[in-house]
Amino acid sequence: QKEVEQNSGPLSVPEGAIASLNCTYSDRGSQSFFWYRQYSGKSPELIMFIYSNGDKEDGRFTAQLNKASQYVSLLIRDSQPSDSATYLCAVNAPYRAGNNRKLIWGLGTSLAVNP
Amino acid sequence: GAGVSQSPSNKVTEKGKDVELRCDPISGHTALYWYRQSLGQGLEFLIYFQGNSAPDKSGLPSDRFSAERTGGSVSTLTIQRTQQEDSAVYLCASSPGSGGTIVLNTEAFFGQGTRLTVV
Repeated sequence: QKEVEQNSGPLSVPEGAIASLNCTYSDRGSQSFFWYRQYSGKSPELIMFIYSNGDKEDGRFTAQLNKASQYVSLLIRDSQPSDSATYLCAVNAPYRAGNNRKLIWGLGTSLAVNP
Repeated sequence: GAGVSQSPSNKVTEKGKDVELRCDPISGHTALYWYRQSLGQGLEFLIYFQGNSAPDKSGLPSDRFSAERTGGSVSTLTIQRTQQEDSAVYLCASSPGSGGTIVLNTEAFFGQGTRLTVV
């Protein structure tokens, strides 16, 4: 089992729809969760982070965290063609023997928003 | 500067030559990562520096790859005897890190990358 898993996609949604991106993780002790967006040919950029169970909203983006089920999701409301990119999930776990707290990344989900 | 700076932005080298890639992290960030990304692929972890701890080198693909971080700041990734399969974008990221067991504030900030082409 990979430490952080995402569906590779592509996920295709029409303009104005809600895009839902999911990520599951294997380390139950994980505490920090991040969503990044990467446009083709560019570096990843941070969209949101979440530490607590529940929802966190920022503009059109909502991150949802469910630690019991070990998943984190990103909802994009009113999707725009400019949201077309690859979305990367990253997870961090607390220090303990054998874990040096580095971020663990999913391979990303490709999102295409069609006009 | 305010962000992570990488140099050069592009590098073309002949097979068998050595290359050095440089990363200047955000000032005060204790953690630094190197990743490799081939076209259309995910991030491939190479090496991780965290404060004064021994670096995590578990992602280095061969002994031709090495990295150092001097004075807890600037880092250099060195690839010896380059091969065509080393062609990729090499990304550096830094993070504020955390000194305790509570892991927050560990988001990574990326540089613009170095595109390496081995011909």
